[in-house]
Amino acid sequence: GAGVSQSPSNKVTEKGKDVELRCDPISGHTALYWYRQSLGQGLEFLIYFQGNSAPDKSGLPSDRFSAERTGGSVSTLTIQRTQQEDSAVYLCASSLGAGVSYEQYFGPGTRLTVT
Amino acid sequence: AQSVSQHNHHVILSEAASLELGCNYSYGGTVNLFWYVQYPGQHLQLLLKYFSGDPLVKGIKGFEAEFIKSKFSFNLRKPSVQWSDTAEYFCAVNARGSGNTGKLIFGQGTTLQVKP
Repeated sequence: GAGVSQSPSNKVTEKGKDVELRCDPISGHTALYWYRQSLGQGLEFLIYFQGNSAPDKSGLPSDRFSAERTGGSVSTLTIQRTQQEDSAVYLCASSLGAGVSYEQYFGPGTRLTVT
Repeated sequence: AQSVSQHNHHVILSEAASLELGCNYSYGGTVNLFWYVQYPGQHLQLLLKYFSGDPLVKGIKGFEAEFIKSKFSFNLRKPSVQWSDTAEYFCAVNARGSGNTGKLIFGQGTTLQVKP
């Protein structure tokens, strides 16, 4: 079966531009998570969706970051006015249910480079 | 706040050597514990997990980990490593209890290099 997919796999953008990163979770998975993997900070949680709502946005680093999820499926992470410190690999994960006892399945990530 | 500490950042072993990667966490409540692995060019995948019960858990590819509650530790072990175990290993926790979302808190990762 299909796993979590993310697009694009690589994105190079100029400082100040906006970018959109897409995540397609495993079909039927109600929970969706975004994480960021960067050299200086390791793997950090960004935001959690249950269905289309985001009860936990505590990891978003600034108001330039936002995310939405539609139809309980696809999610888009948007970064406005990108900065060089936004360069990282953005990972999406999904799980069958909400809460702590469900395994999260990770996508391949989107490598974002801000020049 | 929760935190996870992995003691070794870079480990180099020869094939057939034994492996132990340290992981300690800081959290006042009950947690679930995980080890994830990221092979070169591949995405993160789950090696093993501990939710409850027997504190010695076995995962894929011959890996095991032991939860020692008194030490807040969840060390990963393998008796005999192979070249194909070369990868980055991440320890992670999430907090149990109502209202918790399952978000994972990761350690900094350990890069394991196995020499043939």
